[in-house]
Amino acid sequence: NAGVTQTPKFQVLKTGQSMTLQCAQDMNHEYMSWYRQDPGMGLRLIHYSVGAGITDQGEVPNGYNVSRSTTEDFPLRLLSAAPSQTSVYFCASSYEWRGDYEQYFGPGTRLTVT
Amino acid sequence: GEDVEQSLFLSVREGDSSVINCTYTDSSSTYLYWYKQEPGAGLQLLTYIFSNMDMKQDQRLTVLLNKKDKHLSLRIADTQTGDSAIYFCAEGEILTGGGNKLTFGTGTQLKVEL
Repeated sequence: NAGVTQTPKFQVLKTGQSMTLQCAQDMNHEYMSWYRQDPGMGLRLIHYSVGAGITDQGEVPNGYNVSRSTTEDFPLRLLSAAPSQTSVYFCASSYEWRGDYEQYFGPGTRLTVT
Repeated sequence: GEDVEQSLFLSVREGDSSVINCTYTDSSSTYLYWYKQEPGAGLQLLTYIFSNMDMKQDQRLTVLLNKKDKHLSLRIADTQTGDSAIYFCAEGEILTGGGNKLTFGTGTQLKVEL
């Protein structure tokens, strides 16, 4: 299993550009999430999905869109990039086991918006 | 809303024990987690504790939970240079539709000196 994969690893955007961060998992996990990591703030939940076709907002959803057309893929779209979206983005997938959910994280995408 | 706090830095000598502390606010959390992040990498789940437990030991790791004071700690025995990383505590909230939402602390940078 490749686990959770993310592409690209690094990206530089100009303000106003749009792009899609890719996330895929091959573990058949039902649940997937996107987090952003900023210095001194830990990780914050952007959007999550509890299954194909079902998504919901997390703590900081503004400026981002998601969709989940398949179990494997959960892309994150930046509609019009802003410098405040400079961050490291982590995708995670999880499954339910005995009432708990262990989240598996991808390696991250480092995004800079100039 | 939930809030999870950690001290930012901890420095220990190789071979000593490290204790990383965390306080949280959401008393309804079901599980509390410790994640490790090495430079340039994603998050790796180290251990977790169910909220009705006081202690959990896993090889060199000991997790203590004081639910009354909402205080969680991670003790690493015989700390090694390979333990140098950022350690995040997180509280988990089970979502209505399934899956869980993690609220992370700011992370504690552990530096192990020779």
